Amino acid sequence: QKEVEQDPGPLSVPEGAIVSLNCTYSNSAFQYFMWYRQYSRKGPELLMYTYSSGNKEDGRFTAQVDKSSKYISLFIRDSQPSDSATYLCAMRFTGGGNKLTFGTGTQLKVEL
Amino acid sequence: GAVVSQHPSRVICKSGTSVKIECRSLDFQATTMFWYRQFPKQSLMLMATSNEGSKATYEQGVEKDKFLINHASLTLSTLTVTSAHPEDSSFYICSATLGAETQYFGPGTRLLVL
Repeated sequence: QKEVEQDPGPLSVPEGAIVSLNCTYSNSAFQYFMWYRQYSRKGPELLMYTYSSGNKEDGRFTAQVDKSSKYISLFIRDSQPSDSATYLCAMRFTGGGNKLTFGTGTQLKVEL
Repeated sequence: GAVVSQHPSRVICKSGTSVKIECRSLDFQATTMFWYRQFPKQSLMLMATSNEGSKATYEQGVEKDKFLINHASLTLSTLTVTSAHPEDSSFYICSATLGAETQYFGPGTRLLVL
């Protein structure tokens, strides 16, 4: 079993839809949780960064962390074609040299 | 803020040659830099962690003599792929951290070894 599981997709939604992306993990020691967006042939771009459980909102993006279930989510409201990318969840322990453990990434396509 | 650059963005080389990739943190001093490689439709695979002024820490299975990392300053780390072969063709991405914050990634370097 991988430490972080993420459905690779592809996920295809119509423009304007609400998108839900998820990751589950097995190690309860993870404390920091991130979502990155990666366009084709580009480096990952940090979207959301949260600590421990709870919600965080930034514009059309909402990140949720449920540590009791070892489950994190990223919601994208009013999705746009420009949101088409691969979304990677990542997490790390406190300390640990800032080393990240990544999910495999979910490929999202928002269609007109 | 937190901008990381990489150079070159793309390189094609002949088998047996060495290639150097630079990673720079442009607007902050990075305490740690990381090097990853990524194959098509796969996630990032951490190769090594590098701290300024000390030897890099390589992940299991990564040949330290093949992938030389130099971290000469708080804003620059280099990865040299020595005696490159076609199987080394990949997308190489660096990242940098600012203090205890998360990693900020560079745009990546696409290496093709013929």
